[in-house]
Amino acid sequence: EAGVAQSPRYKIIEKRQSVAFWCNPISGHATLYWYQQILGQGPKLLIQFQNNGVVDDSQLPKDRFSAERLKGVDSTLKIQPAKLEDSAVYLCASSSKAGSSYEQYFGPGTRLTVT
Amino acid sequence: GNSVTQMEGPVTLSEEAFLTINCTYTATGYPSLFWYVQYPGEGLQLLLKATKADDKGSNKGFEATYRKETTSFHLEKGSVQVSDSAVYFCALSRLGGSYIPTFGRGTSLIVHP
Repeated sequence: EAGVAQSPRYKIIEKRQSVAFWCNPISGHATLYWYQQILGQGPKLLIQFQNNGVVDDSQLPKDRFSAERLKGVDSTLKIQPAKLEDSAVYLCASSSKAGSSYEQYFGPGTRLTVT
Repeated sequence: GNSVTQMEGPVTLSEEAFLTINCTYTATGYPSLFWYVQYPGEGLQLLLKATKADDKGSNKGFEATYRKETTSFHLEKGSVQVSDSAVYFCALSRLGGSYIPTFGRGTSLIVHP
């Protein structure tokens, strides 16, 4: 079974520019997560989708971050405009169902550097 | 809010040594607890989990027991190998209200031959 795909793997932008990340979850997985992992820290959940609806986005900085999951399959996370503190690895994960005991499958991540 | 605290790394061991990585948590209710591992150059993957108090999760020789009385989920392995070198993340999640998985900072393990 194919894993979670993410692109690009690396991105370097200047502050105030825009950037978008793409994620394709495991086929059939209804739940999709975006995380931000700053160097030396654990992943922090930004947004969780169940199919194409948002379950939780309480930790998403909505003034600059946005995400969508059209058709309940792949998803895009956008940052506009970027700040220096957005430098991090952005992880996408999926699970077959939402719920506290379901395993999440992670993609390789996109490493963003904002200069 | 919920939080997870892990021991700081790196943890450096010789092959065949005993491993303990401490993890404690703060949460209301009854979270499920997880250990994820990230090998060099790879994404996070689930190592083991426990969904209720006194459950023991195990996989690849690693074990962790869900201790509600001490709010802990320490990871152990009796004999580590060089191939176990990775970053280990303790995590919790719970259902109710909003579901927010919470991860610790990660503990780097380095195993020398």
